Amino acid sequence: AQKVTQAQTEISVVEKEDVTLDCVYETRDTTYYLFWYKQPPSGELVFLIRRNSFDEQNEISGRYSWNFQKSTSSFNFTITASQVVDSAVYFCALSQGGGATNKLIFGTGTLLAVQP
Amino acid sequence: AAGVIQSPRHLIKEKRETATLKCYPIPRHDTVYWYQQGPGQDPQFLISFYEKMQSDKGSIPDRFSAQQFSDYHSELNMSSLELGDSALYFCASSARDSPQLVDTQYFGPGTRLTVL
Repeated sequence: AQKVTQAQTEISVVEKEDVTLDCVYETRDTTYYLFWYKQPPSGELVFLIRRNSFDEQNEISGRYSWNFQKSTSSFNFTITASQVVDSAVYFCALSQGGGATNKLIFGTGTLLAVQP
Repeated sequence: AAGVIQSPRHLIKEKRETATLKCYPIPRHDTVYWYQQGPGQDPQFLISFYEKMQSDKGSIPDRFSAQQFSDYHSELNMSSLELGDSALYFCASSARDSPQLVDTQYFGPGTRLTVL
């Protein structure tokens, strides 16, 4: 069975601090895909990044960076120099490869509050 | 860039009434997904369509039905509404890269359904 665990329910930081959101996943598939989505207070779900199971290259995009480690089944997300606009719920999600089903299995989300 | 359009954005219904939610995918996207997000919860997959055929089914109640039309828009029909159906309903769309790859799902703004 597939499962995504985001152990951090809420994180509160002060603006300009760095913050890392943890994501641990479980799957028996050899091909799978991992995603991060952001849900600001307005409610929409915004796609941030997608990673394939066969691509462990980590990525940096502006203030965002992602650390994918298959050995520990983790796909962590770091925001550098956090800003108030980063305040949102962040969801990690998993999808099976192979085309049989592409539904997303979400973690329970981490509420990030960035204080000014 | 064009995004996923959902209508209506807000809907208030009484118990036992019916509701129809509409989703217009991003142009040239051939796959539509429906998710339900209860208050304080993560999105849960309901159903998906690829090229107008149902491709996968999740925890969708028998009271709900959905379809994808020839222009690729989709409708989620909900009957005999219950208080527990109050939630944010998301539609997402994607374009299949190939049968062996998982596409990225882009979400609409959601329809907030309140059942009184």
